[in-house]
Amino acid sequence: GAGVSQSPSNKVTEKGKDVELRCDPISGHTALYWYRQRLGQGLEFLIYFQGNSAPDKSGLPSDRFSAERTGESVSTLTIQRTQQEDSAVYLCASSLEPSRADTQYFGPGTRLTVL
Amino acid sequence: GQSLEQPSEVTAVEGAIVQINCTYQTSGFYGLSWYQQHDGGAPTFLSYNGLDGLEETGRFSSFLSRSDSYGYLLLQELQMKDSASYFCAVYTGRRALTFGSGTRLQVQP
Repeated sequence: GAGVSQSPSNKVTEKGKDVELRCDPISGHTALYWYRQRLGQGLEFLIYFQGNSAPDKSGLPSDRFSAERTGESVSTLTIQRTQQEDSAVYLCASSLEPSRADTQYFGPGTRLTVL
Repeated sequence: GQSLEQPSEVTAVEGAIVQINCTYQTSGFYGLSWYQQHDGGAPTFLSYNGLDGLEETGRFSSFLSRSDSYGYLLLQELQMKDSASYFCAVYTGRRALTFGSGTRLQVQP
């Protein structure tokens, strides 16, 4: 596609419910990243996928967070038993390759609000 | 671990020049990137420095000194549309970028 797309754009959920966020990277981009951005804060790395290699999950804050990617396409980030502290914008980015600081192209994000 | 420091806020007037500094402490270093993010928008790539020196792209320039673990973003001929948050980010050769907490630039008329 023309750019990275994410869905939904906004998600409001009740504490304790599970949510699933979706990311469609730019076609042909082998690297895919998930970040979390709390209001007024910087970007916090969550997870990184590169081709068929095992993902780097070192940024996931707890075992309630998980993510999958099918080949070099769509990725889903799942948050189980959501907590109010999970409220944030979840950004997905993709890049052609992970070498050097190759330009990362960001999606518009999913704004998650946990009530 | 990794840490990046940049000022939280900078204010300048239209037409002026502003410099946003970034100092970093990382285990491993390949380069420093800068991203711009408007309120409610996605971060967009501005520049990358892998070597010491100045990189210029139009009104924006970015500088890196590896020996000082320091870089800056220079914005010239400021315009109102430059009001945004600016993030420095370090690439250490592992996984994703490590981002600073961002500098909010407010351009006043």
